[in-house]
Amino acid sequence: DADVTQTPRNRITKTGKRIMLECSQTKGHDRMYWYRQDPGLGLQLIYYSFDVKDINKGEISDGYSVSRQAQAKFSLSLESAIPNQTALYFCATQERNTQYFGPGTRLTVL
Amino acid sequence: GQQLNQSPQSMFIQEGEDVSMNCTSSSIFNTWLWYKQEPGEGPVLLIALYKAGELTSNGRLTAQFGITRKDSFLNISASIPSDVGIYFCAGQKGSARQLTFGSGTQLTVLP
Repeated sequence: DADVTQTPRNRITKTGKRIMLECSQTKGHDRMYWYRQDPGLGLQLIYYSFDVKDINKGEISDGYSVSRQAQAKFSLSLESAIPNQTALYFCATQERNTQYFGPGTRLTVL
Repeated sequence: GQQLNQSPQSMFIQEGEDVSMNCTSSSIFNTWLWYKQEPGEGPVLLIALYKAGELTSNGRLTAQFGITRKDSFLNISASIPSDVGIYFCAGQKGSARQLTFGSGTQLTVLP
């Protein structure tokens, strides 16, 4: 079984809709991260969390919010989706300066 | 924004050739990581480097943590078709709480 899972794997939605992307991990790591990746580009950090009470904004947090429901779960929400949020979204956990990524969610906002 | 300069941006090579790519920065890093991403998948960790000067191999892959702590390279020997993908470097510096990623090297292996 995968250590970091993301649901859904693919999602198509319309402008203005609220969307939640979920991430779960079985690695027991305290640190979790959300990134977005646009075609041909690297990874941009949206939010990160060092434990359930520690949530921090990354470099592109506008338009996004997160919830750390438990050590193993970290959700990303788009309150009102817009087309330029169409991208690949990755969740990651971290231990000893090394990050481990989930398989990604491909989100399309029409 | 990104503070790691990764080069080359893309490479087209013949099967069997060796490949080299690198990342440089004006800042000192404590950790260097190399990831591979295949289409539709998340990045997968290839090699992690934690000490300046460290040289680590993983099969046909070899990576080094530069002695100045401002650079790292990844070599792939005797490339094969399944090496195709995007290779990312990433680093952690000082007391930073997150990684900094390079923009990736797109590798294409021609038969």
